[in-house]
Amino acid sequence: AQSVSQHNHHVILSEAASLELGCNYSYGGTVNLFWYVQYPGQHLQLLLKYFSGDPLVKGIKGFEAEFIKSKFSFNLRKPSVQWSDTAEYFCAVNAPNTGNQFYFGTGTSLTVIP
Amino acid sequence: DTGVSQDPRHKITKRGQNVTFRCDPISEHNRLYWYRQTLGQGPEFLTYFQNEAQLEKSRLLSDRFSAERPKGSFSTLEIQRTEQGDSAMYLCASSPRGDRGTGEQFFGPGTRLTVL
Repeated sequence: AQSVSQHNHHVILSEAASLELGCNYSYGGTVNLFWYVQYPGQHLQLLLKYFSGDPLVKGIKGFEAEFIKSKFSFNLRKPSVQWSDTAEYFCAVNAPNTGNQFYFGTGTSLTVIP
Repeated sequence: DTGVSQDPRHKITKRGQNVTFRCDPISEHNRLYWYRQTLGQGPEFLTYFQNEAQLEKSRLLSDRFSAERPKGSFSTLEIQRTEQGDSAMYLCASSPRGDRGTGEQFFGPGTRLTVL
């Protein structure tokens, strides 16, 4: 089974600081990669996804992520965070050739201080 | 509201009781997933339906758990003889028809189960 590691459990940043959240996965074959966000009191929602093509993908609200196959990584970045980015962020992996299971990381709690 | 809905939002039960949760996916979505999420963890896959067929089940899904999607629309997740370790948030997600495993999942608000 695949596994997903998110190295940062809690991150605290001031507004306008840059953000990078790490995500590594264990599967060596074809993968689809996702970042989901959960704002306080809300449902999980998709930030961005990678299926194929350009390894640098852009999502909503100024977020982007880069797929580095050689490092099995899919790190999330944002150049300048806002207070409204305070949320829980989850990386997820699906290996389409092995099934329909999605594997989620343990999440990173981001707090942005105004 | 055309999103994924789940009912009830909260359930408190005594150990040994049976509970059933319902999920109504987005109407045109043929894929439906159940997850369990405990504090400090990400969602853990439980089971997957394509239309009415249950195609995948996690090893986490013991024989006390059963899920159905009888008409390919709403789904139910039943837990029999609940244990305190079943306390968690149970999430449902749906995704549209497309290449296997590549669709964006739309999540519901979850049902929070507390077993006393």
